[in-house]
Amino acid sequence: GAVVSQHPSRVICKSGTSVKIECRSLDFQATTMFWYRQFPKQSLMLMATSNEGSKATYEQGVEKDKFLINHASLTLSTLTVTSAHPEDSSFYICSARSPRDSGYEQYFGPGTRLTVT
Amino acid sequence: DAKTTQPTSMDCAEGRAANLPCNHSTISGNEYVYWYRQIHSQGPQYIIHGLKNNETNEMASLIITEDRKSSTLILPHATLRDTAVYYCIVRVRGYSTLTFGKGTMLLVSP
Repeated sequence: GAVVSQHPSRVICKSGTSVKIECRSLDFQATTMFWYRQFPKQSLMLMATSNEGSKATYEQGVEKDKFLINHASLTLSTLTVTSAHPEDSSFYICSARSPRDSGYEQYFGPGTRLTVT
Repeated sequence: DAKTTQPTSMDCAEGRAANLPCNHSTISGNEYVYWYRQIHSQGPQYIIHGLKNNETNEMASLIITEDRKSSTLILPHATLRDTAVYYCIVRVRGYSTLTFGKGTMLLVSP
C-alpha cells in the first residue's frame, strides 16, 4: 500500500512558540492531504483539507491563523501550530489521498505527538 | 455520509475469530463500507472496504447484509497485535472525506 510519513513523531515545545509538522507521501503524488487531531480517549477530528497549490479548507471551529497549512508540492504538506498553548497538546495525524486512477483512497501517517509545556 | 453504530468495546481470546458488527441503516446506494483500525498511538490503518458483496483480503473478511444496513468485520484468528480501535465508516468511495466515529475497542487476550 501507499506510504505516508510524518516528522517529527513527537515534539515538546514551550508555550508561545511555534512548531511545524511535516507530512509526506512517499510513493505517490497527493493533490489532497488532510490534517486530523486526536485528544486522549477521543476519536480523530478533521481539522482541515489541504490542496496542492491552493489555500486549505478548515473545519468549523478550527482557527486558520493558529494552524497554518502549506501544501507546496504534490508530496509534502506542513502544519504549523503557531503560538502553541498547553491546550494544543494532542496527537496530530495527516492523511494523503491517492490519485484518481488509484481510487482516491486515503492513507494515513503515523501521527505526531505534540506536548506544549 | 451515513451514520454508523458500533459497540463500544469487545473482547476476544487469542486465536479465536473476532466478529465486529456495524449498523449503517441509512446507507445510500453509492456508499461503501470501510473499515480502519487504530493501534494505540499510531495512525489509522486501512483494513478493507466493500459495496455489497462480501470481501476478503489478507487481513480480514467483510460481510455485508443483503439490505446493506449492517456489516461484520471478521478477523479469523485474532492475535494480541489486533488489539486496537476499529472504525466502521460509510462513505462515497474516493472523493468524500473520512469521518471517524467512536469505533469499537477490541481487546484480544491470551
